[in-house]
Amino acid sequence: NAGVTQTPKFRILKIGQSMTLQCTQDMNHNYMYWYRQDPGMGLKLIYYSVGAGITDKGEVPNGYNVSRSTTEDFPLRLELAAPSQTSVYFCASSQGGGNYGYTFGSGTRLTVV
Amino acid sequence: GQQVMQIPQYQHVQEGEDFTTYCNSSTTLSNIQWYKQRPGGHPVFLIQLVKSGEVKKQKRLTFQFGEAKKNSSLHITATQTTDVGTYFCGGGGSNYKLTFGKGTLLTVNP
Repeated sequence: NAGVTQTPKFRILKIGQSMTLQCTQDMNHNYMYWYRQDPGMGLKLIYYSVGAGITDKGEVPNGYNVSRSTTEDFPLRLELAAPSQTSVYFCASSQGGGNYGYTFGSGTRLTVV
Repeated sequence: GQQVMQIPQYQHVQEGEDFTTYCNSSTTLSNIQWYKQRPGGHPVFLIQLVKSGEVKKQKRLTFQFGEAKKNSSLHITATQTTDVGTYFCGGGGSNYKLTFGKGTLLTVNP
């Protein structure tokens, strides 16, 4: 099993550009999450989903959008990139929300210049 | 909302010394999970504790869940260079998501 796959691994964006960070899991998990990690700041929840067609905001949703059309895929969209969005982005999935361990993807390192 | 505080933020030890990181929640948790993130890597699930007062061991790592289910600790005996990384706790309160502490960065001097 591949687990949670994130693409791309690295990306440099110019201010104002848009992009989609891809996340796919092959474990049939209902719960999926997007986090950003800044140095020394831990993991901040951007958006999460409890199943196909259902998404909800986390702590820091501004500037981002998500969709969940299938169980497997949970893409994160940045519409107008800003330098404040420079970060490492992790996608994670779980069999049972906060009551089961998370499986994280390997991350996307994004730089906005 | 639920908050999980983790201390210390950084810990530097000599190889062979012990290491402990602590998590404290503002609310009672349904479970606590621990993760390890190697430098440049992604968080990897280590263990989950569910019961009040639970203690679990993985080789040199000992995990404890407090009696009130509001605090937890991870203790590493005789650290090795392979233990280097950031250790996160994640508290389960709602059914949907964990609340993570900010992590403790452990560095080990060989």
